[in-house]
Amino acid sequence: EVQLVESGGGLEQPGGSLRLSCAASGFTFSSYAMSWVRQAPGKGLDWVSSVSGSGSNTYYADSVKGRFTISRDNSKNTLYLQMNSLRAEDTAVYYCARLVAAGSDCWGQGTLVTVSS
Amino acid sequence: QPVLTQSSSASASLGSSVKLTCTLSSGHSSSIIAWHQQQPGKAPRYLMNLEGSGSYIKGSGVPDRFSGSRSGADRYLTISNLQSEDEADYYCETWDSNTRVFGGGTKLTVL
Repeated sequence: EVQLVESGGGLEQPGGSLRLSCAASGFTFSSYAMSWVRQAPGKGLDWVSSVSGSGSNTYYADSVKGRFTISRDNSKNTLYLQMNSLRAEDTAVYYCARLVAAGSDCWGQGTLVTVSS
Repeated sequence: QPVLTQSSSASASLGSSVKLTCTLSSGHSSSIIAWHQQQPGKAPRYLMNLEGSGSYIKGSGVPDRFSGSRSGADRYLTISNLQSEDEADYYCETWDSNTRVFGGGTKLTVL
């Protein structure tokens, strides 16, 4: 069974940092691009970042470029999102998703990030 | 970069059918999209991908009641024989130049 499990969310002050993880199982992790998508309270889905299967190519939404870094460790079947210089508007549930040619075909359960003083 | 436009809300009666629309912006009318369902308090769930030709492939376990179609730049998700568990938010997704884009979502109420 394909499974994605996020962790690492929590309460952080503005300007602080958090590192999210997404543990993958049930498929050949290195064969798939992966992405992070977030959802602010009461709002819609918002793409954050994507990474190729090898990890060599990364892509970011303008809203997080220069502050967030996506990476992966294919030996550990784990996806990461390093979030620095956090802002109140980064408050959201963060989902990891597996990418195929047709879109995001598998989602994790999400981890909540709250940025507040 | 493509823009996806969805109606904010829709409603239909239990046992009836409903057709949700996702409209692609100019210049992207042949793009593939994906449909996702998000039930209250849950993570999104992939439903299907819908090609510019109108053909679609559903995800594992998606009921036969769900189908896709297209007309020009419009992409449709039709749900037949509506059930109470179909009450959810529905999002379309596409991508271009390694940027992924989501529509604003349609909140479906089952009456």
